[in-house]
Amino acid sequence: EDQVTQSPEALRLQEGESSSLNCSYTVSGLRGLFWYRQDPGKGPEFLFTLYSAGEEKEKERLKATLTKKESFLHITAPKPEDSATYLCAVASSKGTYKYIFGTGTRLKVLA
Amino acid sequence: EAQVTQNPRYLITVTGKKLTVTCSQNMNHEYMSWYRQDPGLGLRQIYYSMNVEVTDKGDVPEGYKVSRKEKRNFPLILESPSPNQTSLYFCASSFYGSNQPQHFGDGTRLSIL
Repeated sequence: EDQVTQSPEALRLQEGESSSLNCSYTVSGLRGLFWYRQDPGKGPEFLFTLYSAGEEKEKERLKATLTKKESFLHITAPKPEDSATYLCAVASSKGTYKYIFGTGTRLKVLA
Repeated sequence: EAQVTQNPRYLITVTGKKLTVTCSQNMNHEYMSWYRQDPGLGLRQIYYSMNVEVTDKGDVPEGYKVSRKEKRNFPLILESPSPNQTSLYFCASSFYGSNQPQHFGDGTRLSIL
């Protein structure tokens, strides 16, 4: 069964303190792995798509990486405005066109 | 402006009273999907549609219906709502199937008493 697990559930960082969020996945053929950011009261906002192991994507203070079993979202020198819930999702190539989301990591960056 | 629009944003209703949540996108996307988001359970897919007249079940379809008669619209229908369908609902759309990033609406908060 396709599954996505994110850790930690919650993370508090001081401004400038770099860290990484983890997304472990089990899927029958990976069609794509996605990272989203969700602010309170809003829908998820797309950040990155990764399609194959070894791929990396970068945007401002965020960098996403992918292996055959997991993905990391690295946050370098975070700022308070990076506080949000970060969601990971996978699309499998099992013959359906479903999306499976993890439960997210709630990030709080303190000034 | 490219967007996914859901209505209503908030609704309080009673058990058994049929309701429809509308979703419309202006990006000419083929793929549309509905999710519910519950604390501790994350986003779970209810139904999705690959194109007009093509729909399929997600992981939690029980108690819901959908239709896709036009490319831009994908309404979610609760024929006989029950309290366990109280949740935050999101509609999303993307190009060419599920391996593309999705654009989400701002959500509909449903409370069923």
